[in-house]
Amino acid sequence: EAGVAQSPRYKIIEKRQSVAFWCNPISGHATLYWYQQILGQGPKLLIQFQNNGVVDDSQLPKDRFSAERLKGVDSTLKIQPAKLEDSAVYLCASSFRGAGGHNEQFFGPGTRLTVL
Amino acid sequence: TQLLEQSPQFLSIQEGENLTVYCNSSSVFSSLQWYRQEPGEGPVLLVTVVTGGEVKKLKRLTFQFGDARKDSSLHITAAQPGDTGLYLCAGKIGSNDYKLSFGAGTTVTVRA
Repeated sequence: EAGVAQSPRYKIIEKRQSVAFWCNPISGHATLYWYQQILGQGPKLLIQFQNNGVVDDSQLPKDRFSAERLKGVDSTLKIQPAKLEDSAVYLCASSFRGAGGHNEQFFGPGTRLTVL
Repeated sequence: TQLLEQSPQFLSIQEGENLTVYCNSSSVFSSLQWYRQEPGEGPVLLVTVVTGGEVKKLKRLTFQFGDARKDSSLHITAAQPGDTGLYLCAGKIGSNDYKLSFGAGTTVTVRA
């Protein structure tokens, strides 16, 4: 079974530039998560989708970050404009179900973003 | 501020030694998960503990959930270089809350 795919794996941009990350979850997984992991910290949830609807985006900096999951499958996360403090690994995860239960989240390898 | 505090932050041991890492909080969790993350990869789930006082074993790894469901520990017996990685605990608050709160992790290095 293929895992969660993410691209690109690495990205270096200058501050104030834009960047987009792509995620393809495991086939059949209705729930998709984007996390931000700053060096030395654990992952922090940015946004959760259930199919193509947003369940929680309370920790997404909406002035610069946006995400979509148009057909309920793959997803993109965009930052515009980027700031130095956005340097982090952006992890995508998916799970079979969402709220309730103890459903396992499967993580992709992440995209390491460096903002100069 | 992290909801879950992990200690120690770093741990370096010789192959064959035992180690324990801790995950503590003032909050009560409905369940708690342990992940291992290797460099350049995403976290991989090791175990989920649900019941206060629960002990789960996974080969050389032993996981314990505190009686009050506020803390947990991971013990590795006879550590091997393949155990090297970042160990993260993540807690879920409430039975219907999907949101996982992660600790900052413990970086474990096992020297051959």
